[in-house]
Amino acid sequence: GAGVSQSPSNKVTEKGKDVELRCDPISGHTALYWYRQRLGQGLEFLIYFQGNSAPDKSGLPSDRFSAERTGESVSTLTIQRTQQEDSAVYLCASSLRGRGPYEQYFGPGTRLTVT
Amino acid sequence: GQQVMQIPQYQHVQEGEDFTTYCNSSTTLSNIQWYKQRPGGHPVFLIQLVKSGEVKKQKRLTFQFGEAKKNSSLHITATQTTDVGTYFCAGENAGGTSYGKLTFGQGTILTVHP
Repeated sequence: GAGVSQSPSNKVTEKGKDVELRCDPISGHTALYWYRQRLGQGLEFLIYFQGNSAPDKSGLPSDRFSAERTGESVSTLTIQRTQQEDSAVYLCASSLRGRGPYEQYFGPGTRLTVT
Repeated sequence: GQQVMQIPQYQHVQEGEDFTTYCNSSTTLSNIQWYKQRPGGHPVFLIQLVKSGEVKKQKRLTFQFGEAKKNSSLHITATQTTDVGTYFCAGENAGGTSYGKLTFGQGTILTVHP
């Protein structure tokens, strides 16, 4: 079956511009996560959606970052006024439901380069 | 907040040698998961451990969860070039309010020389 998909796969943007990243989770997965991975580094948690509960935004690094999710489907991560330190791979993952333990299925990521 | 530390950061081995990576959490975990990320790829789930002292095996891979549920290890016997990649542990905080939220370790990058 289809896995987690993300678009675009690569994004190059100029400093100061806004970007929007998209994630399509596996159908039926109620939990959705966003992570940031800088080159050669680990996964940095950004935000977590679980069903209709209020999202856990504790990992968002600044108010330039925001994310939305429509029901249990698509999610978008928006970065406003991008900075060079935002350059990283942004990974989305989904799982069956939040109350674990349930494995997370990762998408291929969006590689963001801010010039 | 919860921290998950993983050592070593890098490990270079000759093919056939064994490899171990260790994971330590600052808080008690309800469960721990292990993921593998191949170069240029995305993390892929390997296994999850839930019970105190649990040991699970997958062919040449052995996973352990500590008695206190604060540490874990992954051991690979007789490494092969296909084992190359970054191995991450990820723990869910016991008693946390955000169920299902995993904190990832920084990963151990394994290089296997043929």
